Parts: sequence; C-alpha cells; structure tokens
Amino acid sequence: QSALTQPASVSGSPGQSITISCTGTSSDVGGYNYVSWYQQHPGRAPKLMIYDVINRPSGVSNRFSGSKSGNTASLTISGLQAEDEADYYCGSYTSSSTLVFGGGTKLTVL
Amino acid sequence: EVQLLESGGGLVQPGGSLRLSCAASGFTFSSYAMGWVRQAPGKGVDWVSSIKSSGDTYYADSAKGRFTISRDNSKNTLYLQMDSLGPEDTAVYYCAKPLKDSGWTLRGFDIWGQGTVVTVSS
Repeated sequence: QSALTQPASVSGSPGQSITISCTGTSSDVGGYNYVSWYQQHPGRAPKLMIYDVINRPSGVSNRFSGSKSGNTASLTISGLQAEDEADYYCGSYTSSSTLVFGGGTKLTVL
Repeated sequence: EVQLLESGGGLVQPGGSLRLSCAASGFTFSSYAMGWVRQAPGKGVDWVSSIKSSGDTYYADSAKGRFTISRDNSKNTLYLQMDSLGPEDTAVYYCAKPLKDSGWTLRGFDIWGQGTVVTVSS
C-alpha cells in the first residue's frame, strides 16, 4: 500500500491556474475511476473537493476540476484565490480493497 | 445537519490499548459505510479502516491485526479498538462518512469529524 505520489508544493499567483498531479499504478489510480481530492486548511479536517475523478460535490466551486490520464490523476484550480492556499490530498481505491492517499501538496498563493 | 463527533483519544503508553468512538447524527447511519483516517503531526492523511453497512471490514496494513473497527447501528456509533499501540500510531484520528450510501465503502469521504488526538508515549 504505497502512498500515491504528489509534488510537495506548488504555487501560483491570484487569477492564475495551477495543476496538482497524483501518480499511482494500474492497481489504483489507473485501474479505477475512484480518485478523490481533498483540501485541508491548517487545524481543520479535510474537505472533499472532487470525487470519482471528475465530479464536484454540491457547494464546491467550479474553479476546481479533476481529470485522469493513465496512472496519473490531476486537480486543476483556475482563477486562483487567496483562500485556496491549503494542503491538497488525492485518494484512490485500490485492487487490494483498500483506500490509499497521496503524500499531500502544499499550495501557496503568491 | 450531518455531524460526526469523535471521542476516546488520549495519552497511552506503548503496548497499550485505546477505544475510539464516533457519534453520528443527521443521516441514516445504518445505511452508510464509515471509516477512520488518521494524520500524524505534520504529516499527510492515512486511511486506517472502513466498515460497510453490512459489517464487512477493511484495514490498512498498518492496522491489520492490531485495530478492530465496529459499529452499533442502534446507537449510531462507530468504534475503533486499537491494541498494541506504538509511537507510530500517534495522530489525530478522524471519523469519516462517504458521500453516498451505496457502493461507496472505499471511494472517499465527504463528511469528517473534528478528530480526536491519540498520543502514544512513555
């Protein structure tokens, strides 16, 4: 159950778009359309932003979008805002009937 | 309003045990799978265990053989019995609910509790 691979940090200026990658294997990200993305502000619980690769839960801004190609899923945030500064985690169902998360990416809004 | 309220965390010596509880409200608890996710200080989130509405259970390798997840649908409560604890188990433990009640056991979580802190130290 190796963690999914995410960049440790990404940054962008207000109004710009950024993309966070999440790389796994054919046994998790590549094998199922069950990738989710979470936003976590300091001292707070994670918040679901994307589920099943591309879907947004009710109430999540359409500035957040998800995609997948092969064993890599991506989260794109467009029109970057100061409030988007947070840690982001991806998660995926695995062929071992487990759930695995990525190591997390710290987003800095410059 | 959907709410999850964890309790039972605290300081425990290495080798000790602890039982966490999660009181759920605002939804039909018995219809949903539930899970536990933990986060060590300054680290990322790690899935620990999940349980289907039917009672089928799933564990991360780090929890297998030491932790037991269970639920009491009559009390709308989720539990995590943790035995043989080590310093590596020190973390905030979150109770979490999936987005939907069917086929969502291991697809992620949309509602998280505020977490309960477990510290394993002598």
